[in-house]
Amino acid sequence: DAGVIQSPRHEVTEMGQEVTLRCKPISGHNSLFWYRQTMMRGLELLIYFNNNVPIDDSGMPEDRFSAKMPNASFSTLKIQPSEPRDSAVYFCASSFSGGSTEAFFGQGTRLTVV
Amino acid sequence: AQTVTQSQPEMSVQEAETVTLSCTYDTSESNYYLFWYKQPPSRQMILVIRQEAYKQQNATENRFSVNFQKAAKSFSLKISDSQLGDTAMYFCAFMKWAGNTPLVFGKGTRLSVIA
Repeated sequence: DAGVIQSPRHEVTEMGQEVTLRCKPISGHNSLFWYRQTMMRGLELLIYFNNNVPIDDSGMPEDRFSAKMPNASFSTLKIQPSEPRDSAVYFCASSFSGGSTEAFFGQGTRLTVV
Repeated sequence: AQTVTQSQPEMSVQEAETVTLSCTYDTSESNYYLFWYKQPPSRQMILVIRQEAYKQQNATENRFSVNFQKAAKSFSLKISDSQLGDTAMYFCAFMKWAGNTPLVFGKGTRLSVIA
């Protein structure tokens, strides 16, 4: 298996622009998590899905952030409009409830908003 | 809510020596999982070791072992025979037993292995 695939790996955008981050979980996994990593706050959960249904989005900073999981093999995290304080590394991870419980992480997307 | 605390922001160790990274956590759950993840400069999050709270025996994976003290809510990681490739950020993480629930991470410890 190719693992969790995130795209793009790097994104530089101007303040006010819309940014879409993409994630393909491991085939067969039924949970998907979006995390954000910054120096100040470390790794924090933004939102997670079980069986494509959002379970907890309390970590989403504000209405500018939205996430979707239209099917079991794809998820997006959108920021509109983007702000410099959104600059961070965004990780997607997936896991399978019937397995080892281990969460497998993608390579992350480094977002820079200028 | 669960919290995870790593009190050592940075540590260093000589190659071939042993180092211990500390982690404490707070939870009202009676059963749960604890993890150590490694994040090298490549940014990839790599699972190092996992402990189920109901198990009294400490988990080991080759050069990596943990000291799990459930009553004290402590979960330290020991790296033996440190290698240059062990240089990375190390994150302690908590997960509820229910499974398919999010990881709660500590702030991390930056470990440097010195030749």
